[in-house]
Amino acid sequence: DGGITQSPKYLFRKEGQNVTLSCEQNLNHDAMYWYRQDPGQGLRLIYYSQIVNDFQKGDIAEGYSVSREKKESFPLTVTSAQKNPTAFYLCASSIRPGTGRGPDTQYFGPGTRLTVL
Amino acid sequence: GQQLNQSPQSMFIQEGEDVSMNCTSSSIFNTWLWYKQDPGEGPVLLIALYKAGELTSNGRLTAQFGITRKDSFLNISASIPSDVGIYFCAGVLSGSARQLTFGSGTQLTVLP
Repeated sequence: DGGITQSPKYLFRKEGQNVTLSCEQNLNHDAMYWYRQDPGQGLRLIYYSQIVNDFQKGDIAEGYSVSREKKESFPLTVTSAQKNPTAFYLCASSIRPGTGRGPDTQYFGPGTRLTVL
Repeated sequence: GQQLNQSPQSMFIQEGEDVSMNCTSSSIFNTWLWYKQDPGEGPVLLIALYKAGELTSNGRLTAQFGITRKDSFLNISASIPSDVGIYFCAGVLSGSARQLTFGSGTQLTVLP
């Protein structure tokens, strides 16, 4: 079945450690996104990538880094520079925006809950 | 980022009642999407709207793209316990880099 997978579901790290969250999709989507969700709030965009080997900062990119070496994969690294990293992280993908009807519709993975101790 | 005002923030309804929630903005949107999120899970797309005035149904759910392109509403008819969750609206701003802007969500509780 086609879909988006994120691993692990729960992640615990000590303060000061970098941690990488995995996101894989087999929907053949060009664009991929990372969001952060805090309790009682909407989703905030961290980074997005519209094509392999290219990515742009979203609204809250500070303290995060990404890579897009393969179409199917868009890993997110939460660095020690991120002041408040404990949150629920969501990955999404879509057909490349601007390519026709429905390109803006994003489909989400199940999320990774990161807790920094 | 641009704000979407989603209301109400939370709702408590009896099973079988109809529900309505909406999103408004002072800016024009090209696309409106409605998602549902269960606790600890990712949002699931319910309805996508691409044209002003468009009215689309998905089972007991109905959503409309406002004629002014600045708002959208979602109705749920004859609510059932599994409707419990957080409902998010999201939109693509006209002239933007085609990124989604999200509302803050409506927490729906269905009482038996």
